[in-house]
Amino acid sequence: GDSVTQMEGPVTLSEEAFLTINCTYTATGYPSLFWYVQYPGEGLQLLLKATKADDKGSNKGFEATYRKETTSFHLEKGSVQVSDSAVYFCALLHAGANNLFFGTGTRLTVIP
Amino acid sequence: DSGVTQTPKHLITATGQRVTLRCSPRSGDLSVYWYQQSLDQGLQFLIQYYNGEERAKGNILERFSAQQFPDLHSELNLSSLELGDSALYFCASSPRGAGGPYEQYFGPGTRLTVT
Repeated sequence: GDSVTQMEGPVTLSEEAFLTINCTYTATGYPSLFWYVQYPGEGLQLLLKATKADDKGSNKGFEATYRKETTSFHLEKGSVQVSDSAVYFCALLHAGANNLFFGTGTRLTVIP
Repeated sequence: DSGVTQTPKHLITATGQRVTLRCSPRSGDLSVYWYQQSLDQGLQFLIQYYNGEERAKGNILERFSAQQFPDLHSELNLSSLELGDSALYFCASSPRGAGGPYEQYFGPGTRLTVT
């Protein structure tokens, strides 16, 4: 069955550090891949997405590239800010399917 | 703001009770999804409705049920509540039922505490 594996958290970084949150997936066919972010006390917000192999999703300085050969969709940001502190979820969705499969989430804390 | 609204924001109730969670999707969205977020299970899909009809079921307990009304708002009914039902319940909406991929837009959630 489909599954998403994220790196274990929590992750603590200093402001302006480089961020990588690993995400790998298991799925048949060619799912679409998403990163959602959950700020404290809020719901999930779509951060970025990629719908086919080699697509790069980007938003707010975050990037992730759909790598079919390694079944990965790692999230990166060159310089994190305190305001990026949140929980980040990797998710997949099959075309024709109805629900998102989520990873376990990775909590990021950025300290000044 | 995603445009998806959920009420109430918090709910505290006792074991054995029944509660109803409400969700209004974004304007124009026909699909509503319910997810449960708990510490031990993570984010799990419960059920989806599309234009008033049940479209897909996930890990939803028999004690739980949902419906979508003609105005497209949805309600999730949880009955015979147990301590383990304490969780954050999210509603999401998207424009279509399937055949996407269509992004799902999430509401702020309802935090249910069963004592």
